[in-house]
Amino acid sequence: AQSVTQLGSHVSVSEGALVLLRCNYSSSVPPYLFWYVQYPNQGLQLLLKYTSAATLVKGINGFEAEFKKSETSFHLTKPSAHMSDAAEYFCAVSDRRRGSTLGRLYFGRGTQLTVWP
Amino acid sequence: EAQVTQNPRYLITVTGKKLTVTCSQNMNHEYMSWYRQDPGLGLRQIYYSMNVEVTDKGDVPEGYKVSRKEKRNFPLILESPSPNQTSLYFCASSFRGGTRGVGELFFGEGSRLTVL
Repeated sequence: AQSVTQLGSHVSVSEGALVLLRCNYSSSVPPYLFWYVQYPNQGLQLLLKYTSAATLVKGINGFEAEFKKSETSFHLTKPSAHMSDAAEYFCAVSDRRRGSTLGRLYFGRGTQLTVWP
Repeated sequence: EAQVTQNPRYLITVTGKKLTVTCSQNMNHEYMSWYRQDPGLGLRQIYYSMNVEVTDKGDVPEGYKVSRKEKRNFPLILESPSPNQTSLYFCASSFRGGTRGVGELFFGEGSRLTVL
């Protein structure tokens, strides 16, 4: 089975600072990888996804993530944090199954991002 | 508007009283899934469905039932709720297959359930 580890359950940055949220995965085959964001009292929404095309993936709201196979990582970054980025972020990995490109989706435990003014 | 609708959004019930949380999507998605979210544990999958009449267990199916009789609906049934099922529940849906639908889950707004 796939698994995802998010390092750091809480990350705090100042407005304008670099955001780095870490995600490592374990998989026997190259997986599909995702980052989702959850704002307070809302469901999750997709930030970006990696599906074996370009290793550097750009998402919404200025976020991007880089797939590094050698490090089994898919860290999320944003050059300059904004107050509106405060939310919980989840990394997820999907197994690939013959006949279906969705299969199961396994989520990490989440990282709460706080942005200080 | 494309959306996944869950009801109820909030519910307080007592141990053993059967309840159903409904989920409906208007995007013609084949894939639907239920998750529970608990502090420090992230999202854990309860059940999922690849299409009508096709359901399968996720990581934490004990104490839950589902059915998929219509494409748009995927209700979650708690036959005899217990306090350890107190949680925040999310329904999600997606197209199945093809790059368009890979992993792009659309989530409902959540149903907060408390079992006393």
